[in-house]
Amino acid sequence: GAGVSQSPSNKVTEKGKDVELRCDPISGHTALYWYRQSLGQGLEFLIYFQGNSAPDKSGLPSDRFSAERTGGSVSTLTIQRTQQEDSAVYLCASSLSGGGGTDTQYFGPGTRLTVL
Amino acid sequence: GNSVTQMEGPVTLSEEAFLTINCTYTATGYPSLFWYVQYPGEGLQLLLKATKADDKGSNKGFEATYRKETTSFHLEKGSVQVSDSAVYFCALSDPTAAGNKLTFGGGTRVLVKP
Repeated sequence: GAGVSQSPSNKVTEKGKDVELRCDPISGHTALYWYRQSLGQGLEFLIYFQGNSAPDKSGLPSDRFSAERTGGSVSTLTIQRTQQEDSAVYLCASSLSGGGGTDTQYFGPGTRLTVL
Repeated sequence: GNSVTQMEGPVTLSEEAFLTINCTYTATGYPSLFWYVQYPGEGLQLLLKATKADDKGSNKGFEATYRKETTSFHLEKGSVQVSDSAVYFCALSDPTAAGNKLTFGGGTRVLVKP
């Protein structure tokens, strides 16, 4: 079946521009996660959705970062006024329920963001 | 807070060699432990997991045992192949936290030469 998909696969933008990154989770998965993979910081958690709510936003690095999820499905991560340090691969993952600490997360291929 | 430490790479091996990647963790409570693998040009995928002490996760010839007394979850494979060349990430999740967010180690790049 279809896995987690993300778009675009690559995004090059100029410093100061806004960008939107999209994630389509596996159908029926109620939990959705955003992570960031960068050379300096490794793999970092950004935000977790359960349905359309975000009970854990603790990993968002600044108020320039926001995310929403609609219809319990698609999620969009928005970065406003991009900075060069935002350059990274942004990964989305989904899991069936998000509870219990044992749920397997399935990752998308990522969006590589380059801020010039 | 929670953290995961794994050996830095790159680790370079010959085919059929034995592979060990060390992973230790710091966590409150009893986390679940995971190994994820990222093959060249591909996304992260779960390799194996263990959810309680003394559990052994295994997949594709890889094994890791959840050792609570040493807070470790070392990954092993007895005979590696060129196709095992990848970056391996150790991770934990805290079952008491909202959601299942993963805390990752820094990743270990493994290169297997024919």
